[in-house]
Amino acid sequence: DAGVTQSPTHLIKTRGQQVTLRCSPKSGHDTVSWYQQALGQGPQFIFQYYEEEERQRGNFPDRFSGHQFPNYSSELNVNALLLGDSALYLCASSLGLLRTDTQYFGPGTRLTVL
Amino acid sequence: GEDVEQSLFLSVREGDSSVINCTYTDSSSTYLYWYKQEPGAGLQLLTYIFSNMDMKQDQRLTVLLNKKDKHLSLRIADTQTGDSAIYFCAESNNNNDMRFGAGTRLTVKP
Repeated sequence: DAGVTQSPTHLIKTRGQQVTLRCSPKSGHDTVSWYQQALGQGPQFIFQYYEEEERQRGNFPDRFSGHQFPNYSSELNVNALLLGDSALYLCASSLGLLRTDTQYFGPGTRLTVL
Repeated sequence: GEDVEQSLFLSVREGDSSVINCTYTDSSSTYLYWYKQEPGAGLQLLTYIFSNMDMKQDQRLTVLLNKKDKHLSLRIADTQTGDSAIYFCAESNNNNDMRFGAGTRLTVKP
């Protein structure tokens, strides 16, 4: 049973560029949440997708957008990259809303913005 | 906004008990969690506790919750070198997002 997978593992971009990160949830899960983890910090909630809609959003600008596909996989898009967007981006999946007790995290995508 | 705070470092000897502490400010927290993160890896859920409980034990792990003081602790009995990692405290309420502390780096010396 595959857990949460994310791609790519590492990514290097320059300021002003756009990036797309991908996540496949754990088998049987239908809800995907994205988190940003800056170096030396805990993860910060970006947004959550359920039934292909954004259901909850943290304190992140509109440059951060996402999408969920019918197979429950998800993408995180970041436009007009800033140096401060350099971080580990974590995807977490769960079954249904209000089920953070069964939330599983992927290994993350390390984004470096130069 | 709501904050979750934890000490940054803890060092113990192999075989000793480790106690990692956390405080939070959101009185509407429903769930409180402990996650483990090893180098280069994602977060591994260790255990969680409902806000109406005051203790939960799971093998070597014991979670204590003092809801009045908004204080959460994780005790690891018989700490092993494989327990060396960063431990994150987190909380969530019915809004279903989670707020994490900055993490406590546990170092276990042989």
